[in-house]
Amino acid sequence: QVQLVESGGGVVQPGTSLRLSCGASGFTFSSYGMHWVRQAPGKGLEWAAFISYDGNKDYADSVKGRFTISRDNSKKMLYLQMNSLRLEDTAVYYCARGIAPFDPWGQGTLVTVSS
Amino acid sequence: EIVLTQSPGTLSLSPGERATLSCRASQSVSTSYLAWYQQKPGQAPRLLIFGGSSRATGIPDRFSASGSGTDFTLTISRLEPEDFAVYYCQQYGSSPPWTFGQGTKVEIK
Repeated sequence: QVQLVESGGGVVQPGTSLRLSCGASGFTFSSYGMHWVRQAPGKGLEWAAFISYDGNKDYADSVKGRFTISRDNSKKMLYLQMNSLRLEDTAVYYCARGIAPFDPWGQGTLVTVSS
Repeated sequence: EIVLTQSPGTLSLSPGERATLSCRASQSVSTSYLAWYQQKPGQAPRLLIFGGSSRATGIPDRFSASGSGTDFTLTISRLEPEDFAVYYCQQYGSSPPWTFGQGTKVEIK
């Protein structure tokens, strides 16, 4: 079955970097656009970044210039490189398949930015 | 950016009752690009409805959706215990940003 598994979350200090990973299985990864969506504790969903099947990228204004989305189709992996992390980047980060709608979603990985 | 506003913020209902959730957009959204998701505590969101009114695979027919332009509605005809959750609408037009409403929590009365 289609499955997405995120990893790489943790507790980091403001200004530092972290890389999230999302492993895909059960579908032809190279044929799908992929998203990162985040959810701050107790808050709603916020789209963060998108990469098309052929590598075109888009970012939310809140992460543009700090986050980089990438993919390795040979490994069926999606990545989110997060630099210059801020307190407000604290959230559960989900990867999700599909240019639209988003389906399915991984279980999420928690990133906590704290001094 | 299209802003989606969901109402009410919280809906307190009993099992077996009908739930009606609203999603209003700041500008017209193509019906083809409106989705609804369900999220339970500690879980990832799950796609319920896409294309404005099409149920995703495995979604029971007590879930239905309608609307056009700037006003959209998700209806749960008879609430089951497993339906108490937070529901988000989303617009996913051809260009970013893809935006979500702030969510409606359906809680047990």
